[in-house]
Amino acid sequence: NAGVTQTPKFRVLKTGQSMTLLCAQDMNHEYMYWYRQDPGMGLRLIHYSVGEGTTAKGEVPDGYNVSRLKKQNFLLGLESAAPSQTSVYFCASTWDRVTGELFFGEGSRLTVL
Amino acid sequence: RKEVEQDPGPFNVPEGATVAFNCTYSNSASQSFFWYRQDCRKEPKLLMSVYSSGNEDGRFTAQLNRASQYISLLIRDSKLSDSATYLCVVNVDMRFGAGTRLTVKP
Repeated sequence: NAGVTQTPKFRVLKTGQSMTLLCAQDMNHEYMYWYRQDPGMGLRLIHYSVGEGTTAKGEVPDGYNVSRLKKQNFLLGLESAAPSQTSVYFCASTWDRVTGELFFGEGSRLTVL
Repeated sequence: RKEVEQDPGPFNVPEGATVAFNCTYSNSASQSFFWYRQDCRKEPKLLMSVYSSGNEDGRFTAQLNRASQYISLLIRDSKLSDSATYLCVVNVDMRFGAGTRLTVKP
C-alpha cells in the first residue's frame, strides 16, 4: 500500500533551470495539495486541486505551476528555479477536506544554487 | 492577520508536565480542524481531529472555541517522545499554522 509517493526525493538545480515534482496517490482521493516548508516555518500551501482537471492557488503560488491531468497524479512545476525556492516540498491528499485526514508524501528536498 | 496562527513557542517542559498550545483562525466558515505532529525532517502525521466541541485521546485533549475562533491542544503527563512540532490545520483550504515546537526534558 504505497499511499502518497513523491519523486524525486532530492534534487539540486541551478538558477533558471526547470523541473517537475510528481505526486502520485493510490487511494482514489479527490483532493490533492502541494506545500513548501522552510526552516522554522509551518507548511505553506502552494497550489491545490479539488479533482481531476482542476487546480487552484494557495498562499504562495508565484513561481510555480501545477497540473492534475489524472486523478492520481498532481504535478508541481518550476519553470525557472530561483534560490528562494530552496525548500522541502510536501504533497498531500485526502478524500474529504471537511472531515478527512491529510495523507502526506515523505517530502522532496530541493536546493537551487 | 494570517488565517491560521499558533503560539510561537518553543515550549520546553519537564517530563510529566502538562502543556497547552493554542491556534487561532480567522475564517469563521471553517468547519473542522486538525492537530498534526511533525518530527524533524519528517512528514506531518495526524494527531487528532477536532469536529465539534472537542475530543480526547488518552493524554491528549483538543478543544474548539467557535466564539473566539481558536482551538487548543492539551498534553498531560508529557513524555520524552512527545517532543516534536505541533501544527494546527484549518479545513478551509487545508492551511497550516506555523507550528509550535515542544521539547520534553528528563
